[in-house]
Amino acid sequence: GAGVSQSPSNKVTEKGKDVELRCDPISGHTALYWYRQSLGQGLEFLIYFQGNSAPDKSGLPSDRFSAERTGGSVSTLTIQRTQQEDSAVYLCASSRTSGGLSYEQYFGPGTRLTVT
Amino acid sequence: EDQVTQSPEALRLQEGESSSLNCSYTVSGLRGLFWYRQDPGKGPEFLFTLYSAGEEKEKERLKATLTKKESFLHITAPKPEDSATYLCAVQGGSQGNLIFGKGTKLSVKP
Repeated sequence: GAGVSQSPSNKVTEKGKDVELRCDPISGHTALYWYRQSLGQGLEFLIYFQGNSAPDKSGLPSDRFSAERTGGSVSTLTIQRTQQEDSAVYLCASSRTSGGLSYEQYFGPGTRLTVT
Repeated sequence: EDQVTQSPEALRLQEGESSSLNCSYTVSGLRGLFWYRQDPGKGPEFLFTLYSAGEEKEKERLKATLTKKESFLHITAPKPEDSATYLCAVQGGSQGNLIFGKGTKLSVKP
């Protein structure tokens, strides 16, 4: 079956511009996550959506970052007034959930964001 | 604070030379420990989930084990195609997100 897809695969933007990154999770997965990976750093959690619950935004680094998930499926991560330190690979993942059981997260290929 | 530390940062092996990668963790109420493989320019690829101390899982040349403080990824007779960065992550307490280590970059020379 189809995996997690992300678009665009690469995005180059000028400092101060807004960008939108898209994630299409695996069909039927109720949980969706955004992470970012900077050179030499581990994956850093940004935000987590679980069903119809309020998202866990505890990882967002500043109020320039926001995300939404429409219809329990597609998600968009928006970065406003981009800064050079926002340059990174942004990864989306999705998983099944059932009660308190933790299922593996499946990752998309990522969007490489470069802010010039 | 939940934390994951992987060692070594990089490992170079000759083809057929078995070794182990370490993942040490501190987490409040472990719900699962996950191993992923990441190739350059790609997203992490799921390998294993371990839920409780003493659990082991195997896949081809890879075997993952778990204790209360660490996990090992054993690689038996590796091949060049096993070259990748191996990531360890934990999920704890009421968190949905994973906490990742910085990974071990494995290079296997023919």
